Amino acid sequence: KQEVTQIPAALSVPEGENLVLNCSFTDSAIYNLQWFRQDPGKGLTSLLLIQSSQREQTSGRLNASLDKSSGRSTLYIAASQPGDSATYLCAGNTGNQFYFGTGTSLTVIP
Amino acid sequence: EAQVTQNPRYLITVTGKKLTVTCSQNMNHEYMSWYRQDPGLGLRQIYYSMNVEVTDKGDVPEGYKVSRKEKRNFPLILESPSPNQTSLYFCASSLMRKTGYNEQFFGPGTRLTVL
Repeated sequence: KQEVTQIPAALSVPEGENLVLNCSFTDSAIYNLQWFRQDPGKGLTSLLLIQSSQREQTSGRLNASLDKSSGRSTLYIAASQPGDSATYLCAGNTGNQFYFGTGTSLTVIP
Repeated sequence: EAQVTQNPRYLITVTGKKLTVTCSQNMNHEYMSWYRQDPGLGLRQIYYSMNVEVTDKGDVPEGYKVSRKEKRNFPLILESPSPNQTSLYFCASSLMRKTGYNEQFFGPGTRLTVL
């Protein structure tokens, strides 16, 4: 069964720092990988999708990469802002099933 | 506006009283799915559907039923709810392409409490 680990579980940084969130799958046969943001009490907002033929995606200050050989993904956030404070979740699919990590709770201190 | 809607958003019920949570999407997506989110366990997939009349179990299907009679709707049915089904439920949908799944879009969530 696929297990997804996100490290660290929680992170607190001062505004302006660059940071890296990590996600790893026990089964490296991930087809697509998606990063989400979840604000307290809210739903999930899609940030980036890396499809099977891709290795990374960028959107604004966010960059996500996927190493399929190891089943590891990283989300890089540049010049963090207080508005980035949220829980970040990674999810990947093996076949038609999707598996989520438990998330990294990020706090950006002004 | 492209969206996934769920109803109700909040529900408090009692053990054994059948309930249905509706999910609808207006993006003509083939793939729809239900998840539950519990503290410390993250999101776990309950059921998914790849198209009308095609459904399959996820990781935690026990105690749940689904149906996909129309492409836009994917209701979640709890025929005899129990307290361990108290959770935050999310519906999601995605386009399916030859290169794999496109991004998943999520509904706002349904917070269910079973007493």
